[in-house]
Amino acid sequence: EPEVTQTPSHQVTQMGQEVILRCVPISNHLYFYWYRQILGQKVEFLVSFYNNEISEKSEIFDDQFSVERPDGSNFTLKIRSTKLEDSAMYFCASSESRFGYTFGSGTRLTVV
Amino acid sequence: AQTVTQSQPEMSVQEAETVTLSCTYDTSESDYYLFWYKQPPSRQMILVIRQEAYKQQNATENRFSVNFQKAAKSFSLKISDSQLGDAAMYFCAYIGNNAGNMLTFGGGTRLMVKP
Repeated sequence: EPEVTQTPSHQVTQMGQEVILRCVPISNHLYFYWYRQILGQKVEFLVSFYNNEISEKSEIFDDQFSVERPDGSNFTLKIRSTKLEDSAMYFCASSESRFGYTFGSGTRLTVV
Repeated sequence: AQTVTQSQPEMSVQEAETVTLSCTYDTSESDYYLFWYKQPPSRQMILVIRQEAYKQQNATENRFSVNFQKAAKSFSLKISDSQLGDAAMYFCAYIGNNAGNMLTFGGGTRLMVKP
């Protein structure tokens, strides 16, 4: 069964550093997403991406964050100048339509 | 804005027994989808079951079934013949037809399965 692949599975970074989280969505999917889950809390929407541009973003997704599809397969989330409160599980997802989400296995980001 | 509420932070069930997890939601839309996701200790998000609001028939997937009450805005998950591998966090989620394409999640229910 097709999968959404996320790398790395765990990233540790120093406060103030930039990190790039990588995702390979399912090849025929058109919609791409990033979600965040702070430990012990609910899963929160960050951003959706369609047709090579952001289609929707939450208030969490401020200027610190950016997304990019640098080639035909990868979908990245960049977090600039990381803060302690950015420590969370970050999930990438993709869908063929608006309703058929497949999530990746997540990247655990730890900011120290 | 849509909200999803899971009123049971924790539930426990004896192995082989049946358990029901509750979920309510608030929306003004008439067309939407509802989901239950399982999150084991590995923290991966695994789709358990999906329900389209326009379908009256409750969705079932093997030991998992839902009780969808549209008028009451209720979407509970029933797990039959519970297994140790069912122990996980379960999240209810909503996506509306007219409200963009983001999933709104409930706060989750931690299910423990006792041998």
